[in-house]
Amino acid sequence: AQKVTQAQTEISVVEKEDVTLDCVYETRDTTYYLFWYKQPPSGELVFLIRRNSFDEQNEISGRYSWNFQKSTSSFNFTITASQVVDSAVYFCALCTGGFKTIFGAGTRLFVKA
Amino acid sequence: GAVVSQHPSWVICKSGTSVKIECRSLDFQATTMFWYRQFPKQSLMLMATSNEGSKATYEQGVEKDKFLINHASLTLSTLTVTSAHPEDSSFYICSAEGPTTYNEQFFGPGTRLTVL
Repeated sequence: AQKVTQAQTEISVVEKEDVTLDCVYETRDTTYYLFWYKQPPSGELVFLIRRNSFDEQNEISGRYSWNFQKSTSSFNFTITASQVVDSAVYFCALCTGGFKTIFGAGTRLFVKA
Repeated sequence: GAVVSQHPSWVICKSGTSVKIECRSLDFQATTMFWYRQFPKQSLMLMATSNEGSKATYEQGVEKDKFLINHASLTLSTLTVTSAHPEDSSFYICSAEGPTTYNEQFFGPGTRLTVL
């Protein structure tokens, strides 16, 4: 069975703090893709990153960084020096065979000025 | 990047009416389209998967007679909520993928349905 767990329902930080959003996934497939999406209040999903199961290299994009560890089935997302505009719901997602994407419950991030 | 549009972006209707939502891939051929539903403060739940020219595959618990999906062309899929009721009020999001999207789905901006 495929499953994505985002244990943190809500996180509140003060601007400029670093924050890490956790994501743990379950799948028996050896080939799969992991995603992070941002959903601001407008509702539109904003794609942040895709990682395939064979690429465990961590990635940094500006203030965003991702830590993919197959050994612990985790794909955590860190925002460095958070800003108010980072306030949104963040979803981790798993895509396996047939392009069926399963979303985690989401983590609502509040960044206060 | 690939662009997916949805129309309308927001619709309010009376209970008992049917509502059609369109999902279009604007710059690529979408061989597969997906329909998701999102209740307030909840995650996206996959409703159905449709392949162009074939019948849609519905997820468990989704009524196919209630949510009619048509994927008649490589750029258009429609979701019709038949005889809508207040409990059908939700945010409906489509996504699409195709031969040129390299295993990535592209999401539409969503349609907010309110049934009075």
